Amino acid sequence: GAGVSQSPSNKVTEKGKDVELRCDPISGHTALYWYRQSLGQGLEFLIYFQGNSAPDKSGLPSDRFSAERTGGSVSTLTIQRTQQEDSAVYLCASSLRQGEQFFGPGTRLTVL
Amino acid sequence: GDSVTQMEGPVTLSEEAFLTINCTYTATGYPSLFWYVQYPGEGLQLLLKATKADDKGSNKGFEATYRKETTSFHLEKGSVQVSDSAVYFCALMKNRDDKIIFGKGTRLHILP
Repeated sequence: GAGVSQSPSNKVTEKGKDVELRCDPISGHTALYWYRQSLGQGLEFLIYFQGNSAPDKSGLPSDRFSAERTGGSVSTLTIQRTQQEDSAVYLCASSLRQGEQFFGPGTRLTVL
Repeated sequence: GDSVTQMEGPVTLSEEAFLTINCTYTATGYPSLFWYVQYPGEGLQLLLKATKADDKGSNKGFEATYRKETTSFHLEKGSVQVSDSAVYFCALMKNRDDKIIFGKGTRLHILP
């Protein structure tokens, strides 16, 4: 596709369950970013990939959060043992190195 | 640490009014500055950017000038339209780090 895609678009889960969120970046984009948008905190950076490596994981809020990227393309953000405060919209963006970041539509996560 | 502060909303204006949304930043070095826009039901889009002091970014009638002396990047538009109703985010990127640091967003309502 032409843009960044994310799946699922909506996810409702119960507290304590694990969730996986997927991001398909724009083809050829080497950099991939995860952000979180929540009512109380605004838009926060989570993690950044250059190729398959993650030089900056400084935004991950706890060790329940992890992410991987394979083949320099698709990325998965995993949240283990979800908590209600994890409820947010999770945004993915991709770019060429230090270029404009293009954002996906986001995954709305609701933890009951 | 690096941060972005923008005026809180919501901001409500009548069509054809003049718009200013204030934004100031705190950062070491020479960050790039951005305004992103999120229209209702849509993803985050880059509106305009400026990469060095005194640069003016412009798009769709919106303008913002990178003022290093006042660490500001205020968004302006001379005559707003109903279709400009959206949430606007001021942001910075430290070129070495690549991650974007966002302000909390300003919701704009334009009345016909």
